[in-house]
Amino acid sequence: DTGVSQNPRHKITKRGQNVTFRCDPISEHNRLYWYRQTLGQGPEFLTYFQNEAQLEKSRLLSDRFSAERPKGSFSTLEIQRTEQGDSAMYLCASSPETGAGYFGPGTRLTVT
Amino acid sequence: GENVEQHPSTLSVQEGDSAVIKCTYSDSASNYFPWYKQELGKRPQLIIDIRSNVGEKKDQRIAVTLNKTAKHFSLHITETQPEDSAVYFCAASNSGAGSYQLTFGKGTKLSVIP
Repeated sequence: DTGVSQNPRHKITKRGQNVTFRCDPISEHNRLYWYRQTLGQGPEFLTYFQNEAQLEKSRLLSDRFSAERPKGSFSTLEIQRTEQGDSAMYLCASSPETGAGYFGPGTRLTVT
Repeated sequence: GENVEQHPSTLSVQEGDSAVIKCTYSDSASNYFPWYKQELGKRPQLIIDIRSNVGEKKDQRIAVTLNKTAKHFSLHITETQPEDSAVYFCAASNSGAGSYQLTFGKGTKLSVIP
């Protein structure tokens, strides 16, 4: 499969724990996006990388959230001190120079 | 920031009929408008997109129209089939700064009745 991949696909964690998700974009895509989707809603933008540079962050992204894209390849999204409100599907998308993103399958986070 | 409104939230059509989903956006600087299809439990899939220098784009049974003056854009699906049943999302982006970050509508659940 040469599409966007994400791991893990599901994560259950207790409130207060830290979690980290990984996204592997389509190899020739230099743009990478993280979105969050809750039930019955459209995806909400979290952050954007062009190569290794994090160029935009949503106000939704509290200081408990941090994202990296070392070497401009895969990306990680870490949530510290998880809260129940963090439960959602976390989607990664990658895109070429122009155009919309191609989404990965997502990581479903459940915070108990 | 951008705000995208999408209507209707649910839509049921008979197989073979047409379906139309409408979106409005608030930021006149938005210039790129993709549509995504999301089946239950699956990732959003890009089905068609349109840029602000084009008024209409068609791909087989799917077409998108854009009215920049009114800040409206619509998805038209003709000859609907049961496999078209899914949630459809419109989105808007201002690509001027180089990012294609998207603001999504809340989605339309389309049911095609055989």
